[in-house]
Amino acid sequence: AQKVTQAQTEISVVEKEDVTLDCVYETRDTTYYLFWYKQPPSGELVFLIRRNSFDEQNEISGRYSWNFQKSTSSFNFTITASQVVDSAVYFCALREENRDDKIIFGKGTRLHILP
Amino acid sequence: DADVTQTPRNRITKTGKRIMLECSQTKGHDRMYWYRQDPGLGLRLIYYSFDVKDINKGEISDGYSVSRQAQAKFSLSLESAIPNQTALYFCATSDPGTQETQYFGPGTRLLVL
Repeated sequence: AQKVTQAQTEISVVEKEDVTLDCVYETRDTTYYLFWYKQPPSGELVFLIRRNSFDEQNEISGRYSWNFQKSTSSFNFTITASQVVDSAVYFCALREENRDDKIIFGKGTRLHILP
Repeated sequence: DADVTQTPRNRITKTGKRIMLECSQTKGHDRMYWYRQDPGLGLRLIYYSFDVKDINKGEISDGYSVSRQAQAKFSLSLESAIPNQTALYFCATSDPGTQETQYFGPGTRLLVL
């Protein structure tokens, strides 16, 4: 069965610190997709990144980076030099290739960046 | 203009009332979804549609119905609203060409009194 675990319910860091949000997933499929979404206080869900199971290259986008490791079934998200605008709830999600209906979302990590 | 829009953005209604939440998209995607978000539970799928003639139940469809009026429009109805349907509702779209990345609307906050 699919499952996505975000063990960190809430994290607080001081601005400019680096912070890593953990995501561990479970799947029996060999082909799957992993996602991260950001939900700022305004409530909308913003797509950040998609990763395919066959592409383990890490990705960097500005201050954001993602570490995908199939060996540990993890897809962690790091924010470098955090800013107050990064304060949001972040969701990790998983979709298996043959499950057209299902994106399974983790329960989210609420990130507070303190000025 | 936003690619996925939802109306209304906020709604307060009373128990037993019928309400409709609407979703429109300009992304040209065939696939559309309705989710609800509750604190601490993440997002749960209510219904999804892969084209105008295809409607499927998600994991929590009881108490809800949907209508896919056109490729661009997907409505969610609560036939007789109850307080535990108070939640944040999201519409999303996707397309096989984008490897099923789902793009979300801004959400509708629903309060059932």
